[in-house]
Amino acid sequence: ELQLVESGGGLVQPGGSLTLSCAASGFTVGTHDMSWVRQAPGKGLAWVASFDTTGGTYYADSVQGRFSISRDKSENTLYLHMNNLRTEDTALYFCARGRGDCDDRTCYPLLVNWGQGTLVTVSS
Amino acid sequence: DIQMTQSPSTLSASVGDRVTITCRASQSISRWLAWYQQKPGKAPKLLIHRASSLESGVSSRFSGSGSGTEFTLTIRNLQPDDFATYFCHQYTSHSGTFGQGTQVEIK
Repeated sequence: ELQLVESGGGLVQPGGSLTLSCAASGFTVGTHDMSWVRQAPGKGLAWVASFDTTGGTYYADSVQGRFSISRDKSENTLYLHMNNLRTEDTALYFCARGRGDCDDRTCYPLLVNWGQGTLVTVSS
Repeated sequence: DIQMTQSPSTLSASVGDRVTITCRASQSISRWLAWYQQKPGKAPKLLIHRASSLESGVSSRFSGSGSGTEFTLTIRNLQPDDFATYFCHQYTSHSGTFGQGTQVEIK
């Protein structure tokens, strides 16, 4: 059964660091696009970062230079390394497995399967 | 960034009703739009991709339409399990953007 389980969230002070994990089962993280998406309290969803099957990484402007996405194929786990955290990073963080939705020219990154999320609170 | 405007933010309906949710993109996204259902404490569930393609295993009571900048999600014969939050997502690139969500609640 396909499953994504996030962990690593918690309370951290502004300027601090945290690493989120997303343990995958039922598929291999190395063969799919993988993403992190967050939802701040009372707000909508916002894309954070993605890792594609070629090894390319992509980041939202708001986290560029502070967050880093990585994966461990042996552990079948996706990570989000978060540094210099700000209060506005407070959110529920979801990991998601992607699937290329393709026409005759290119493929578009559809987010198919999601975990239940892990809560990050940045506060002094 | 492409902005996604979703309406209404809240919708009150009864079992058996037909409801429609709208998403408007700030520029054309062709048909690269998905709809998700989210329940409290649960993972979002993909319902529809490419504006109108139903995901395997999703009830045919859900349907999507639209292209370019205007899209709709319709749920007919609303069932108790359908009371949830729905959101749209344009996925023209990795930096895709989401609608603010529509909470469908029991009238």
